[in-house]
Amino acid sequence: NAGVTQTPKFRVLKTGQSMTLLCAQDMNHEYMYWYRQDPGMGLRLIHYSVGEGTTAKGEVPDGYNVSRLKKQNFLLGLESAAPSQTSVYFCASSYSGESYQPQHFGDGTRLSIL
Amino acid sequence: AQSVAQPEDQVNVAEGNPLTVKCTYSVSGNPYLFWYVQYPNRGLQFLLKYITGDNLVKGSYGFEAEFNKSQTSFHLKKPSALVSDSALYFCAVKTGFQKLVFGTGTRLLVSP
Repeated sequence: NAGVTQTPKFRVLKTGQSMTLLCAQDMNHEYMYWYRQDPGMGLRLIHYSVGEGTTAKGEVPDGYNVSRLKKQNFLLGLESAAPSQTSVYFCASSYSGESYQPQHFGDGTRLSIL
Repeated sequence: AQSVAQPEDQVNVAEGNPLTVKCTYSVSGNPYLFWYVQYPNRGLQFLLKYITGDNLVKGSYGFEAEFNKSQTSFHLKKPSALVSDSALYFCAVKTGFQKLVFGTGTRLLVSP
């Protein structure tokens, strides 16, 4: 079972470069999420989507854009990377937004901005 | 606003001993509480959740958690720790359709 797959797993960028992180899930989940994980700060929600064609801002959306053109895919874009965006990025999905539904996570993308 | 506190950055326990990882929460409304575990270079894995009903919730890998409404706590427990339980543990809370809010994590180190 693939679950939630993130690509790439590692990436090093220079300040000002752009890139897109891809998240794919094969569980037919409606909701998808992008988080960043920084030491001592837990996980912070960047953007999320409640269904194909919809996106919404989370806790720390600045500097990021997202798209959900297909139900199974959720893309996170960095238009002009900054060193403050060095982090580990996790994608997650859930069947619905109901409170009791757990989220399923990918293995993360480790991004360094020089 | 919802919040979760994990007061211990690290918990050390010897293999075979019981372990407890603490979590307290603050919400307005009925809480839905979760524990996740993260192994090195991996994503978070769901361990268990509390929705309603019995205050003692059983989950994966022999873990359980006790919900205490009066103390607003949801501590993670295991009767006998294994070295392989060493990982980063996150408590999280949600109410209604609000977004999931995570604690800052507690590193569990189980020594042989």
